[in-house]
Amino acid sequence: DTGVSQNPRHKITKRGQNVTFRCDPISEHNRLYWYRQTLGQGPEFLTYFQNEAQLEKSRLLSDRFSAERPKGSFSTLEIQRTEQGDSAMYLCASSLAGGGRGETQYFGPGTRLLVL
Amino acid sequence: AQSVTQPDIHITVSEGASLELRCNYSYGATPYLFWYVQSPGQGLQLLLKYFSGDTLVQGIKGFEAEFKRSQSSFNLRKPSVHWSDAAEYFCAVVSNSGYALNFGKGTSLLVTP
Repeated sequence: DTGVSQNPRHKITKRGQNVTFRCDPISEHNRLYWYRQTLGQGPEFLTYFQNEAQLEKSRLLSDRFSAERPKGSFSTLEIQRTEQGDSAMYLCASSLAGGGRGETQYFGPGTRLLVL
Repeated sequence: AQSVTQPDIHITVSEGASLELRCNYSYGATPYLFWYVQSPGQGLQLLLKYFSGDTLVQGIKGFEAEFKRSQSSFNLRKPSVHWSDAAEYFCAVVSNSGYALNFGKGTSLLVTP
């Protein structure tokens, strides 16, 4: 069990550029979640997948954000036309369906994005 | 919507002293509650969770939490704090729309010698 991995760990970009982050969940975990965490705040939910289906999206996920999980394994989160307000830590988590709403989400180390 | 409030932004305790971190939830039915810890450069780690059964929950690293419906609280406790416990602590509740976690703003714990 290697845990949830995220790449890159840090990303610096200029305003208006597109960025893409990758998340590899714990193998056999079929639920995958994306959260955003800004300084001094708790993580905020963005979206989640069960297998390859995106089942829930937060209102925080504007049209500039898109997430995919094409084969039900790894996931990507793309931000188009980045803005300075997108600067945050982007966290990925995964869980194994079957535990109901009490199942444990395992978090990766996050990707820290800085938009200049 | 389900939410949690962590009233204390910062808490400082001496090493060896007891610790209690507060968490209040808003939800009509029995909530699914979690405590996570986040150390610098580390991912969020689950300490413990509650969704039914015994209201006193034991977790990892010597932590425990008690669910009190009458007070809408799920406070985290540890009888003797170690310097390595210095970190950010987050309380969270599962949303009623699915499986998303709604986190509090966190409590930053500082441990002094």
